[in-house]
Amino acid sequence: GNSVTQMEGPVTLSEEAFLTINCTYTATGYPSLFWYVQYPGEGLQLLLKATKADDKGSNKGFEATYRKETTSFHLEKGSVQVSDSAVYFCALSDQLGRGAQKLVFGQGTRLTINP
Amino acid sequence: SAVISQKPSRDICQRGTSLTIQCQVDSQVTMMFWYRQQPGQSLTLIATANQGSEATYESGFVIDKFPISRPNLTFSTLTVSNMSPEDSSIYLCSAKKPRQEQFFGPGTRLTVL
Repeated sequence: GNSVTQMEGPVTLSEEAFLTINCTYTATGYPSLFWYVQYPGEGLQLLLKATKADDKGSNKGFEATYRKETTSFHLEKGSVQVSDSAVYFCALSDQLGRGAQKLVFGQGTRLTINP
Repeated sequence: SAVISQKPSRDICQRGTSLTIQCQVDSQVTMMFWYRQQPGQSLTLIATANQGSEATYESGFVIDKFPISRPNLTFSTLTVSNMSPEDSSIYLCSAKKPRQEQFFGPGTRLTVL
């Protein structure tokens, strides 16, 4: 079945450092790809998405490009802030029956940014 | 966008008991889902809650253990039955509207002793 693999955490960086969180996927067909973020004590929030090959999703300074040739969707940010400390989940959409979709998540990467 | 609330936010339960988790959306949605996030692990879909019919369960999850109700377009419940310590997890409700992505509730943190 479809699956998502993320780089293992935790990841600790200093403020203003460059961030990359790797994500690769295995899928049949052409799923949409997502990054969700879970801030401490809060629920999951959609950070960005891409729906087809070579699409770039971006939000809040984060970017990820849908790379079909390498089956990857790596998350990047040029200069992280303390407020970016959270757990980040890569996910893909998988088809259920009757046109419905479910999300398949990676294992999550905990990011801590130190001032 | 719509907001999901869950009750309770957390609970500590004894083994062998059952807990019902409520999920309320502040506007009508087409689809509602229940996920489990075991400690240190990712989210796994338990089932899709269907309005007016039985829920659709994923492989490894059964109705006797996780009965689900969805009486209308804004509300669903998940019951964790006959609990054991292995059921200690965060349970998340999510919902979806047409042409929008899934959005999630804050989760219910369950500890079973």
